[in-house]
Amino acid sequence: AQSVTQLGSHVSVSEGALVLLRCNYSSSVPPYLFWYVQYPNQGLQLLLKYTSAATLVKGINGFEAEFKKSETSFHLTKPSAHMSDAAEYFCAVRGFGSSNTGKLIFGQGTTLQVKP
Amino acid sequence: DGGITQSPKYLFRKEGQNVTLSCEQNLNHDAMYWYRQDPGQGLRLIYYSQIVNDFQKGDIAEGYSVSREKKESFPLTVTSAQKNPTAFYLCASSMGQGAIANEQFFGPGTRLTVL
Repeated sequence: AQSVTQLGSHVSVSEGALVLLRCNYSSSVPPYLFWYVQYPNQGLQLLLKYTSAATLVKGINGFEAEFKKSETSFHLTKPSAHMSDAAEYFCAVRGFGSSNTGKLIFGQGTTLQVKP
Repeated sequence: DGGITQSPKYLFRKEGQNVTLSCEQNLNHDAMYWYRQDPGQGLRLIYYSQIVNDFQKGDIAEGYSVSREKKESFPLTVTSAQKNPTAFYLCASSMGQGAIANEQFFGPGTRLTVL
């Protein structure tokens, strides 16, 4: 079975500071991993995805994530936070197996606050 | 433009009434999904469909029903049996199980309020 844990339901950073949102996964097969962003009252937008190619994945809006198999992690980072980055972020892993095939397994989400 | 549309954006209904939420996609995706989102609870899967005329229950299917008569459409009915239907509902689609990553693409959501 697969699962995702996002450490920290709320993260607060100052504008211009480093953004680090943590995601750990559990998977019995090589994982496919995703980060999504959700702005208030909107749907989810794909930021980036890991599909077993390069371990450092670059996404939209200056975000990137590094797949670390030894740590079962896929943390999301951005060197310098902007006010427009304030949103909720979800990490997800592709499901495999009889009960999860075709699904995405989502973490609980992390709300990013950016202070001026 | 290819994408997923959900209508309406906001929906108000009286307690005890059934209501149907629309979801349409023109991405030619095989799979479609319905999620419910409540504050602090992330996304919970209601129903999903991997192919036309077939669908499966997700984690919280009680009180909901769906149909998949066309590839482009996957309407969700919230029935009077759903005890707490007020929530934000998200529809998504993906290429299907054969796709490598099978990432999902989301619609803008429908906020349902039951009075």
